[in-house]
Amino acid sequence: KAGVTQTPRYLIKTRGQQVTLSCSPISGHRSVSWYQQTPGQGLQFLFEYFSETQRNKGNFPGRFSGRQFSNSRSEMNVSTLELGDSALYLCASSPGTSVRDTQYFGPGTRLTVL
Amino acid sequence: DAKTTQPPSMDCAEGRAANLPCNHSTISGNEYVYWYRQIHSQGPQYIIHGLKNNETNEMASLIITEDRKSSTLILPHATLRDTAVYYCIVRERSGGTSYGKLTFGQGTILTVHP
Repeated sequence: KAGVTQTPRYLIKTRGQQVTLSCSPISGHRSVSWYQQTPGQGLQFLFEYFSETQRNKGNFPGRFSGRQFSNSRSEMNVSTLELGDSALYLCASSPGTSVRDTQYFGPGTRLTVL
Repeated sequence: DAKTTQPPSMDCAEGRAANLPCNHSTISGNEYVYWYRQIHSQGPQYIIHGLKNNETNEMASLIITEDRKSSTLILPHATLRDTAVYYCIVRERSGGTSYGKLTFGQGTILTVHP
């Protein structure tokens, strides 16, 4: 089975721009979660989507949003980029039917905001 | 989710067992202990999880104390490729706000030396 894929792998943007990141889950997985990793704050949960609906949400401003498509692929959007948004953005997929489902992570998208 | 405490760093000689401790003194009866690791700049990788019994898989063993207030992840024969940050995570057993969400702490940086 193919693993979780994320595109693009690297991205450079400037302040004020917006960005869209993509995540394709493992085949058959219906849950996609997004995380932000920075040196200062570590790995932080952004939100989770299941069957095209946001089911869980972390403590991030409304500039961070996401969506999920009928094929379970998910996108994350960050509007009005700030320097502090520079981070490794990771997505993880799981079947989504149990809280105890193992989450499988993708390689991440490295976003640099200048 | 209950808070976890891990040593910031540990060293281990190649071929020897690596024993990584985790304290989760406020864990409740409906919470599992999970371990993930993250090799530099890659997505976290699931290792093992358990509730109250000791668990073993092809990667590692998990020893949970009888009172469940602490646990130890054991890599029986550490190799250089096991150098990574190891995260101990406590997750709820059922529903609520835990779907798709992992709460990462700072983890333990394990360095395996030749």
